[in-house]
Amino acid sequence: NAGVMQNPRHLVRRRGQEARLRCSPMKGHSHVYWYRQLPEEGLKFMVYLQKENIIDESGMPKERFSAEFPKEGPSILRIQQVVRGDSAAYFCASSLTGYEQFFGPGTRLTVL
Amino acid sequence: TQLLEQSPQFLSIQEGENLTVYCNSSSVFSSLQWYRQEPGEGPVLLVTVVTGGEVKKLKRLTFQFGDARKDSSLHITAAQPGDTGLYLCAGTGDSNDYKLSFGAGTTVTVRA
Repeated sequence: NAGVMQNPRHLVRRRGQEARLRCSPMKGHSHVYWYRQLPEEGLKFMVYLQKENIIDESGMPKERFSAEFPKEGPSILRIQQVVRGDSAAYFCASSLTGYEQFFGPGTRLTVL
Repeated sequence: TQLLEQSPQFLSIQEGENLTVYCNSSSVFSSLQWYRQEPGEGPVLLVTVVTGGEVKKLKRLTFQFGDARKDSSLHITAAQPGDTGLYLCAGTGDSNDYKLSFGAGTTVTVRA
């Protein structure tokens, strides 16, 4: 039973480019969460999605960041016009009921 | 955002010793989860506790949720080098709020 999958594992972007991070939840899980772990900081909630719906985006920066979880395919976290401060590890988690969350291995984004 | 404070921040012990990690908050949590994270990987769920006063045992690990659901502890008996890692506690607010608030973590090192 495959766990949460994220790709790419490492992503390097230059300032001003776009970053697309993908997350495939565990089989049967319809709840997806994105978290960000900045260097020397703890994990911070960004957004909570269910299929085709954003449930809670209270942790998302207001500009340049967006997330989706389409009916088919993985969840996507999109960062437009990246800046150096976006460099971080981005983790996706999925849940069957919304309760216990299982995390993927993360995408390490480096902005040059 | 609900704040979780973990203590100690760092813990280094000899193989065979016992250790306890604490997680405290001024807020009430509907559930509390403990994770372990290895460098370069995502957090791995160890346990979820939901009932005040609940105690769960997982081999050499014992987890306790405070009666008031504001604090928790993780106790490891006879620690082994394989227990080395970053231990994170995370809680959810009310029963309809699924986003996790994380503590900063306790880095545990078990020396052989």
